[in-house]
Amino acid sequence: AQSVTQPDIHITVSEGASLELRCNYSYGATPYLFWYVQSPGQGLQLLLKYFSGDTLVQGIKGFEAEFKRSQSSFNLRKPSVHWSDAAEYFCAVGAGTTDSWGKLQFGAGTQVVVTP
Amino acid sequence: DVKVTQSSRYLVKRTGEKVFLECVQDMDHENMFWYRQDPGLGLRLIYFSYDVKMKEKGDIPEGYSVSREKKERFSLILESASTNQTSMYLCASEGARSYEQYFGPGTRLTVT
Repeated sequence: AQSVTQPDIHITVSEGASLELRCNYSYGATPYLFWYVQSPGQGLQLLLKYFSGDTLVQGIKGFEAEFKRSQSSFNLRKPSVHWSDAAEYFCAVGAGTTDSWGKLQFGAGTQVVVTP
Repeated sequence: DVKVTQSSRYLVKRTGEKVFLECVQDMDHENMFWYRQDPGLGLRLIYFSYDVKMKEKGDIPEGYSVSREKKERFSLILESASTNQTSMYLCASEGARSYEQYFGPGTRLTVT
């Protein structure tokens, strides 16, 4: 069964500094990988996704993520954070097979606090 | 833009009550999902549906049932609410094999 680990429950970062959120997954084959963001009081919004091909994926709001098969990781990065990036971030993995399409396994989330 | 709406943002119910949570999407998506979100646990899939009147259990279906009579509407039912079902409930929809789920704003349910 697939699983997702987000090692950092909470991260505090200064506005303008860089941000990296870690995500490790466990899955036998190449998974489909996703990052979602949840702003306070709102539902989840998809930031980016990786299915295959180029291992560096660009997303919305200036985020990018890199798939590293050897490390089973899919870390999210942003070079310079804005106060509006304060939110909870979720990594998710999907199997991508015909009998499990659409079913995602989510990590526990990382809460990001942005200080002035 | 895809819009997923949920019938209530906040709901307070008593133990033993039957609770209905409604979700409607406007993009003619085939797949719809119900998750619950708890601190430290992320999102856990309760049920999903890949077509009208079709449903499959997710990871935590116990104590819940679902109904999908129309393509745009997916209902989550708590037959007899219990305090351990106090949680945030999120609905999502997805076009067939698009792997991009669109989420509603959530319903925060409190069972007293």
